[in-house]
Amino acid sequence: QKEVEQNSGPLSVPEGAIASLNCTYSDRGSQSFFWYRQYSGKSPELIMFIYSNGDKEDGRFTAQLNKASQYVSLLIRDSQPSDSATYLCAVSGSGTYKYIFGTGTRLKVLA
Amino acid sequence: KAGVTQTPRYLIKTRGQQVTLSCSPISGHRSVSWYQQTPGQGLQFLFEYFSETQRNKGNFPGRFSGRQFSNSRSEMNVSTLELGDSALYLCASSFGQEGETQYFGPGTRLLVL
Repeated sequence: QKEVEQNSGPLSVPEGAIASLNCTYSDRGSQSFFWYRQYSGKSPELIMFIYSNGDKEDGRFTAQLNKASQYVSLLIRDSQPSDSATYLCAVSGSGTYKYIFGTGTRLKVLA
Repeated sequence: KAGVTQTPRYLIKTRGQQVTLSCSPISGHRSVSWYQQTPGQGLQFLFEYFSETQRNKGNFPGRFSGRQFSNSRSEMNVSTLELGDSALYLCASSFGQEGETQYFGPGTRLLVL
């Protein structure tokens, strides 16, 4: 079983729609959760981090965390073609100082 | 505040050669992590340095090594290059507290012929 799992996609959504990206993790001791966006040929850039159960909103982005279900998601409202990228989920904080990344979900926003 | 910088940005080497990549973290950051990214494997953790000491290591062969200097700058070295070492090598820096945000550099794209 992979430590952090994401659907590779591509996930295609029309412009203006809500994109929902999901991530599950195996280490119950994980405390910190991150979403990075990576454009083709570029390095990952941080979108959001979340530490506590529930929702965290930042502009058009909402991160949701459910530690009991070991599940973290990212919602992108009013999706734009410029949101088309690969979204990486990362998990950390189980006493190892390591960050475990999922393989990413490719999002395509159709104009 | 300047971001993470990596040099060189692009490299072409041949099998059997060795290569050294450099990473300068954000000012004040003491932790530097290195990752290898390939299309098939995603982001794979190589190792992490904190205050000049290797604190974590991933599952890579001994051909991959690194070090960190007193100014927190880090280098990684790959000896006896193989075709499969072609990848984007990313470094990320943080203050070094567990679970805090890492910030990535632009990466070094290595092509092994």
